[in-house]
Amino acid sequence: AQKVTQAQTEISVVEKEDVTLDCVYETRDTTYYLFWYKQPPSGELVFLIRRNSFDEQNEISGRYSWNFQKSTSSFNFTITASQVVDSAVYFCVNRSNYKLTFGKGTLLTVNP
Amino acid sequence: DTGVSQDPRHKITKRGQNVTFRCDPISEHNRLYWYRQTLGQGPEFLTYFQNEAQLEKSRLLSDRFSAERPKGSFSTLEIQRTEQGDSAMYLCASSFTSTNEKLFFGSGTQLSVL
Repeated sequence: AQKVTQAQTEISVVEKEDVTLDCVYETRDTTYYLFWYKQPPSGELVFLIRRNSFDEQNEISGRYSWNFQKSTSSFNFTITASQVVDSAVYFCVNRSNYKLTFGKGTLLTVNP
Repeated sequence: DTGVSQDPRHKITKRGQNVTFRCDPISEHNRLYWYRQTLGQGPEFLTYFQNEAQLEKSRLLSDRFSAERPKGSFSTLEIQRTEQGDSAMYLCASSFTSTNEKLFFGSGTQLSVL
C-alpha cells in the first residue's frame, strides 16, 4: 500500500523567508511517480511538479525547488523568498498505476 | 482548454435525500476520477473511469454511491439516502493516458448534509 507522510501540519513564515515542506513516502513499487499539488483557498488543486522514480535529478522552477532522494524516500519542496500568494495547502502525492495517494497536506501561511 | 468543471459548487441537503453531482472533464481526456476530501485531510480516491468503463471503486464507495460516465464524456456521482458523514468536498479530475500523465482537478462540489 502507498503512504505519504507530511509531518508538518502548519507552517507560518514572514514574506521573503525561505520555507521547506517535507514529504516522506512509502511504496513497494519499483516505478512510481511523485507530485506536489497546491490547493489555494479557492479549493482547486493546482499541479506543481511530477517526478519519476527513476529520475532523481532535482529541479528548480523559479522560486520553487524540489529535492528527491530515494535513499531516504523523501521528496521535499522549497519555496525561496516566499510571497503572500504562496499561502495555501500543499499536498505531496504518490501515484501507483492510476491511483493517487495524497498526504494530509501542509498549510502554509505567508504573512506580510 | 477550459479545464475540468464541476456542478454545483455547493450543495446543501437534508439527511436522507439523494444528490447528484456532475463533472465535465477536459474534452480529450479519456480518464476520469472522483475523489473525496474532508476537512484537514488530503483527497481520497473513490472511483476511476477509462472512457465509459468504471474500472475501480474504492471501499469508501458504499452501495449508496453510484457513478456513471455515459459515452465516455461527462460523469455523474449520485449519493442516495445521504448521511451526515457524506459531508465533504467531492473532487473530479481527468487525464490523458500517457507516460507523463498528469491529473487536472476541478474546483469540487462542497456537500453539506444537515
